[in-house]
Amino acid sequence: RKEVEQDPGPFNVPEGATVAFNCTYSNSASQSFFWYRQDCRKEPKLLMSVYSSGNEDGRFTAQLNRASQYISLLIRDSKLSDSATYLCVVNTRSQGNLIFGKGTKLSVKP
Amino acid sequence: DAGVIQSPRHEVTEMGQEVTLRCKPISGHNSLFWYRQTMMRGLELLIYFNNNVPIDDSGMPEDRFSAKMPNASFSTLKIQPSEPRDSAVYFCASSFPAGSNYGYTFGSGTRLTVV
Repeated sequence: RKEVEQDPGPFNVPEGATVAFNCTYSNSASQSFFWYRQDCRKEPKLLMSVYSSGNEDGRFTAQLNRASQYISLLIRDSKLSDSATYLCVVNTRSQGNLIFGKGTKLSVKP
Repeated sequence: DAGVIQSPRHEVTEMGQEVTLRCKPISGHNSLFWYRQTMMRGLELLIYFNNNVPIDDSGMPEDRFSAKMPNASFSTLKIQPSEPRDSAVYFCASSFPAGSNYGYTFGSGTRLTVV
């Protein structure tokens, strides 16, 4: 089983839609969780950390379910500029190197 | 801060040649990571350093790959000899101590093509 698994998509949604991405991780000892965003031919950039209680940043909401080893990202009121690949990221070792999922591609259409 | 700086941005080389990729981390970050990204395999960790010391190089594909960090502000990833299957985007990233809740900051990457 892969350490971090995501649906590769693509998710094609109209502007204004709400879209949710899911991610599962295999190591129950994982401690830190993140969502990164990667635009085409660019480097990954940190979108937000994911906290146990769930957290929100504007139109973005992240949730963590440790029991199910599951992370989610919800984007409300999608914008054209949200089109990108969203990477689920997990810290699986105490030393701290991050493990990246392969990403879910989102395309927001006018 | 200028962020993580990588050079060159693009590299095209012939099979068998030596390739050296360079990275300058963000000042004050004491962890540095080298990743490789391909369509098939996604982002793969090659090696990372804490305080200039290599901690985990289990992701380095084979002996043709080597990485050094002679000081806190500079790291290199060398491939010798290069092969077509090494073609990928190589990212360097830095962060505050590995194991903390900080994410990484990535450089713009080096797009390597081996022909």
